[in-house]
Amino acid sequence: DAGITQSPRYKITETGRQVTLMCHQTWSHSYMFWYRQDLGHGLRLIYYSAAADITDKGEVPDGYVVSRSKTENFPLTLESATRSQTSVYFCASRPGPSTEQFFGPGTRLTVL
Amino acid sequence: GEDVEQSLFLSVREGDSSVINCTYTDSSSTYLYWYKQEPGAGLQLLTYIFSNMDMKQDQRLTVLLNKKDKHLSLRIADTQTGDSAIYFCAESIGQNFVFGPGTRLSVLP
Repeated sequence: DAGITQSPRYKITETGRQVTLMCHQTWSHSYMFWYRQDLGHGLRLIYYSAAADITDKGEVPDGYVVSRSKTENFPLTLESATRSQTSVYFCASRPGPSTEQFFGPGTRLTVL
Repeated sequence: GEDVEQSLFLSVREGDSSVINCTYTDSSSTYLYWYKQEPGAGLQLLTYIFSNMDMKQDQRLTVLLNKKDKHLSLRIADTQTGDSAIYFCAESIGQNFVFGPGTRLSVLP
């Protein structure tokens, strides 16, 4: 199906484990983004990518790693999960710098 | 800093108008956006306004932009229970969007 998808939709893990959240879009959008959504903070940008092999830090990048080897995929890895990374994670994409941004359905991550 | 501000909660009666307010920071933002998030879902674009406009109307939605005060508002006419959601304003700064904390709109019968 066309669009932007995230997997898994729900994940429970333990402190210290590595977790990878997947994001896939079928539009060949240049820009892709990872946000976390926490009560009282709205959406905070973790990392973004303007094109394949180009990534940059957002507002809250610590503890996260991204890669963009293919235009359509933008995985987010928590190298050693902490409880403070319990959140809902949204991936987004858009074709250009100021165009509409499309969001995935989100991944709810719980770190015990 | 890059803080977009919104009030966190708004309650209205069904059939009344809702007005959600937002203040943004970057006077050079080209576009300003309103997104809607329903429970358990991602954000969906509701409407946007180009920075050289001061008003945009789209069916029940009216967006007003006051560039001097960096104030953006979203008016929903004849609010329905299906409008209950969290509404985020966002501004484009460089390559990124900066989102407000979201306003939770509750529509009472």
